[in-house]
This record gives sequence, C-alpha cells and structure tokens, in this order.
Amino acid sequence: TQLLEQSPQFLSIQEGENLTVYCNSSSVFSSLQWYRQEPGEGPVLLVTVVTGGEVKKLKRLTFQFGDARKDSSLHITAAQPGDTGLYLCAGNGGSNYKLTFGKGTLLTVNP
Amino acid sequence: DTEVTQTPKHLVMGMTNKKSLKCEQHMGHRAMYWYKQKAKKPPELMFVYSYEKLSINESVPSRFSPECPNSSLLNLHLHALQPEDSALYLCASSLTSGGFYTQYFGPGTRLTVL
Repeated sequence: TQLLEQSPQFLSIQEGENLTVYCNSSSVFSSLQWYRQEPGEGPVLLVTVVTGGEVKKLKRLTFQFGDARKDSSLHITAAQPGDTGLYLCAGNGGSNYKLTFGKGTLLTVNP
Repeated sequence: DTEVTQTPKHLVMGMTNKKSLKCEQHMGHRAMYWYKQKAKKPPELMFVYSYEKLSINESVPSRFSPECPNSSLLNLHLHALQPEDSALYLCASSLTSGGFYTQYFGPGTRLTVL
C-alpha cells in the first residue's frame, strides 16, 4: 500500500509570509498532482509533475518533485488571503487510475 | 477546456428516496471516477469507469449504483441511503493513455441524507 505523508496538516499565517508544504513517501510515483480545494467545492488542479528533480512555477507557487520521485513540495511566496484553502497532493503509483492522496494541508492566510 | 460539470450542486434526500447524481465532461477522457469526500479529508475513491466499463469498485455498498451511458456522461444512482452517506460527491475524469493520468475534478454535489 502506497502512502503519502503530507505536512503540516494545519497552517495559519499572516498575509505576506512564505510557507512550504511537504509530501513524502517511501514509494516511487510516476507523477504527482497538487490540488487546491475551497469549502464545498471540488479540488482544482494546480500542477502535475512527472520528472524527477522537476521544478514548476505558477505565479507565487513553486512546486518541486524529488529526484527519486518519492517526494514533492509546494512553496508559496508572499501568501495572500486568496490562497486560503485545503491543499492536496496526490500521486499516481502502480495503478493508472488510483491516486494516493496525502491527508491535506488546511491553510489559512489572515489579512 | 478542462471542465467537468456536476448536477445538482446540492441534494437533500430522505432514507427512502431514490435520486441520481450526474456528471459530464467533454475533454475526450475515457476514464471517469466517483469519489466521496468528508469535510477536511481527502477524497475516497468509489468507482472507476474505463471506456464505459466498470473497472474498479472499491467495495461500495449496493445502495450506490453507478452508470456510464456514454463516454461523456457518468451517473450515480442513490437508493435507501443512510445519514452517514452525507458527504461531498465528486466526479473526475482523466486520459487512459499517454504516460500519466492527471485527474480533473468537478465542483461536486453536496448530499445530505435525513
């Protein structure tokens, strides 16, 4: 059974601060997705990373995929209240159809 | 266009009712999924359809009955649900070839069972 350990589980910061969310596993993933979800809404895809060592940027968000494709991080620079939400990492492992989800990071950015 | 649509947005039903959730995508994806999500938890996979055939059933109770009428549509028929079935039900779709299988989620249906 593949597991993705996501940390921290909760994060409350002030507007303008930086933060990093981590997803770690002992298993190799062929790809890994990051999603952001607001209450009562579906997860919205932020990025897919597929190559070991890959770095992708989306405005103030930077995503890294570990060299061994077992871990990933999401870094947000100068967080804004609009970044508030549940951040989920999800990896494609042995099955094309089954995603392994982390438990999520609930981020609150206070004005 | 990476849109998955779901109807209705909200649904309240009694334990003796029969209702259906609907999902539609026009991205040409041949894999479609149903997930159940409780508050502040990750989604839990229920069913996967691949090329309109049921590929995965994660031991879901028979009061949930999925249907895939064509490559763009996915339904979830509900009957005799329990209050603990109240949750956000998510539909997703993905490619079935090409190397990786990013899933795109719909906005969800908030189901309340009384």
